[in-house]
Amino acid sequence: NAGVMQNPRHLVRRRGQEARLRCSPMKGHSHVYWYRQLPEEGLKFMVYLQKENIIDESGMPKERFSAEFPKEGPSILRIQQVVRGDSAAYFCASSGGGSTEAFFGQGTRLTVV
Amino acid sequence: TQLLEQSPQFLSIQEGENLTVYCNSSSVFSSLQWYRQEPGEGPVLLVTVVTGGEVKKLKRLTFQFGDARKDSSLHITAAQPGDTGLYLCAVRYGNKLVFGAGTILRVKS
Repeated sequence: NAGVMQNPRHLVRRRGQEARLRCSPMKGHSHVYWYRQLPEEGLKFMVYLQKENIIDESGMPKERFSAEFPKEGPSILRIQQVVRGDSAAYFCASSGGGSTEAFFGQGTRLTVV
Repeated sequence: TQLLEQSPQFLSIQEGENLTVYCNSSSVFSSLQWYRQEPGEGPVLLVTVVTGGEVKKLKRLTFQFGDARKDSSLHITAAQPGDTGLYLCAVRYGNKLVFGAGTILRVKS
């Protein structure tokens, strides 16, 4: 998983601010997943993207959350008007086309104060 | 209802003991993966099993895929403190890679 880069590792935001989380997939990978994790719990699927396309966003809250994966640059998970309940670790994973295996980044730990 | 049920939820054992954790489902899958996640880190892929009845070994870890491809087990021989972590199974379900809730393993020295 060394090739998937997420930044920042830690992010503190006040209630009502915006949080922007970045993910650069492994070289050659064109598929990105975003997951949310609470302490000592499993990973909850949020969204699955390919370059310039959202394939499945069924796990993403309808309001305040958005994701993109532009042709150039990292994938971005954006949370607007953050609330305390958004505090969690957010992980991104990447995979190559047709592969079932995903490789994870080290995550961004978001704390809303 | 969870697609993947993992058991036990939590396991605390002494160094040197053996253990098995399970991943069960009522659905059939073409493949299944096991990941380990250490505190503060992202999950790391351990293995992918694809054939019913398949057994794969990774040092002291033995992974088995059920004959019907609905379940899997992970057996650790002579556990060490370095094995401590969250063990997650995952399957491809439509467009998603879906995870079980995980088994938290703590190995005490």
